[in-house]
Amino acid sequence: DIQMTQSPSSLSASVGDRVTITCRASQSISTDLNWYQQKPGKAPKLLIYAASSLQSGVPSRFSGSGSGTDFTLTISSLQPEDFATYYCQQSYNTPVGFGQGTKVELK
Amino acid sequence: QVQLQESGPGLVKSSETLSLTCAVSGYSISSGYYWGWIRQPPGKGLEWIGSMYHSGSTYYNPSLNSRVTISEDTSKNQFSLKLSSVTAADTAVYYCARLTGGGAAGLPADYWGQGTLVTVSS
Repeated sequence: DIQMTQSPSSLSASVGDRVTITCRASQSISTDLNWYQQKPGKAPKLLIYAASSLQSGVPSRFSGSGSGTDFTLTISSLQPEDFATYYCQQSYNTPVGFGQGTKVELK
Repeated sequence: QVQLQESGPGLVKSSETLSLTCAVSGYSISSGYYWGWIRQPPGKGLEWIGSMYHSGSTYYNPSLNSRVTISEDTSKNQFSLKLSSVTAADTAVYYCARLTGGGAAGLPADYWGQGTLVTVSS
């Protein structure tokens, strides 16, 4: 199975900060990497698919990059509604796996 | 607007079978796309359970494979999850989702239900 490791597991940031979250796969997954945002008590929301494609309706301050084993989710200017937990997920092969999550908290 | 809604018992006894249904509105499941289930134990991360394509392939997480069945009822525009021989470790919020079909097992998921908490009791 492909293991997905996110870092950091949590971070504290202020409104307006640039935030970067990293996801590493245990083997190459090409660009088959997706990012989700989850707020407490809510279902996850797809932000980025295929490593760098922005899902329809998602603000352009969110961006994704990477290929192979190393990937990054960047929030260019953190907004109040962005405080949430973020998950990466590989869709290269089955079993499909998620990272353990990165919680973005208010500093 | 595609909407999904999970339904089923919120409490299941250990060793019994968990059964959930996902009603889909705004899109006919027989028209295409993959459909799947994902769960999240309280306070923990996400786990893919399985996916299905209309009248076609199913994919299950090997860690659950022998206990999972995902099926469709096109007459009601819904799909279902059955998980047998449950234990306390199966206590989780269960989400149904529409999958884009872009990757393995149809992931990623672009539309989600609100989720339903299922507690396994002894």
